[in-house]
Amino acid sequence: EAGVAQSPRYKIIEKRQSVAFWCNPISGHATLYWYQQILGQGPKLLIQFQNNGVVDDSQLPKDRFSAERLKGVDSTLKIQPAKLEDSAVYLCASSPGASGRTYEQYFGPGTRLTVT
Amino acid sequence: QQPVQSPQAVILREGEDAVINCSSSKALYSVHWYRQKHGEAPVFLMILLKGGEQKGHDKISASFNEKKQQSSLYLTASQLSYSGTYFCGISNTGNQFYFGTGTSLTVIP
Repeated sequence: EAGVAQSPRYKIIEKRQSVAFWCNPISGHATLYWYQQILGQGPKLLIQFQNNGVVDDSQLPKDRFSAERLKGVDSTLKIQPAKLEDSAVYLCASSPGASGRTYEQYFGPGTRLTVT
Repeated sequence: QQPVQSPQAVILREGEDAVINCSSSKALYSVHWYRQKHGEAPVFLMILLKGGEQKGHDKISASFNEKKQQSSLYLTASQLSYSGTYFCGISNTGNQFYFGTGTSLTVIP
């Protein structure tokens, strides 16, 4: 079974530029998560989708971050414009159940973003 | 709302035991445990649902005290492969999910 795929793996941009990350979850997984992990800290949930609906985006900085999950499969996370403090690893995870509470999350390899 | 883990870091010799604690200020629905090795993504260990259950596989087990809003991860007879950062993840009644502050575990020969 193929795992969670993410691209690109690395990205370097200048502040005020835009960037987009792509995630393809494990086939059949209903729930998809985007996390931001700053070096030395735990992952911080940005947004959680169940199929193509948003379950929780309370920690998403909506003035600059946006995410969508078209047709309940692939997802894209965008930052526009980027700030220095956005430098982090962006992790995508998927879960087999409809509720993220009771099912394990499978993580992709992440995208390391550096904003200069 | 981020759960607090203790200790922040621990160093063990092979074969020693360790306990990692996770405390939340909010009512919990479930607790997840993950291990993350340097430069890699977190890997799922186990989930505990409210009801005070205890789970385990191999030499790693965990407990969940719903009333105290706490969970503990127990690692017995530690192996070199147990090294990494351990995160608890908590789900509250509002279906939100938060990872903890993390515990760095180093096992030395």
